[in-house]
Amino acid sequence: DQQVKQNSPSLSVQEGRISILNCDYTNSMFDYFLWYKKYPAEGPTFLISISSIKDKNEDGRFTVFLNKSAKHLSLHIVPSQPGDSAVYFCAASRTNNNDMRFGAGTRLTVKP
Amino acid sequence: DGGITQSPKYLFRKEGQNVTLSCEQNLNHDAMYWYRQDPGQGLRLIYYSQIVNDFQKGDIAEGYSVSREKKESFPLTVTSAQKNPTAFYLCASSMKGRTEAFFGQGTRLTVV
Repeated sequence: DQQVKQNSPSLSVQEGRISILNCDYTNSMFDYFLWYKKYPAEGPTFLISISSIKDKNEDGRFTVFLNKSAKHLSLHIVPSQPGDSAVYFCAASRTNNNDMRFGAGTRLTVKP
Repeated sequence: DGGITQSPKYLFRKEGQNVTLSCEQNLNHDAMYWYRQDPGQGLRLIYYSQIVNDFQKGDIAEGYSVSREKKESFPLTVTSAQKNPTAFYLCASSMKGRTEAFFGQGTRLTVV
């Protein structure tokens, strides 16, 4: 049973525009959410996170929004740059329990 | 340099043989994880450990075994009981209670 879902396997946007990546989760026990970025044949790198006590967290061009009632989070990248092209994974965990679960990933392509 | 090291990068084994994947970290992290990634799929949790001499099964632990005798080391053994062991294996570590994890570069295991 997949507890974290990313229903869009790919997304293509123009350089300078906004990229919006979506993620849904089913386990209401999750209270900490993360986004990771991954290049081929490498390990993921942490990008940004959000606790369930917040509904928004911003770090430069990256903003994560959390809607707890809908069990949905999204990652906004503004403005998108070609170097942002990668696979983005959504992850969820329970505070003080390191059982982090990942979605299937969304491949973002930013075209010049 | 501080980081997490997986070795080897590529590994070939004959069907029916056990194989052990190495994962070492010098970040002084308490928690360590093993994930498996198959083509076009996300990261699936195999095992995780929050503290030395303790570990928990993830979603796909069958056919795998781990040990956590030292804080810095979390080796994964892929046994002959694992039905489809060919995959990309990722090890990660994080501070206890946190899931902003650092990942290794991965080991691509091919069983022939």
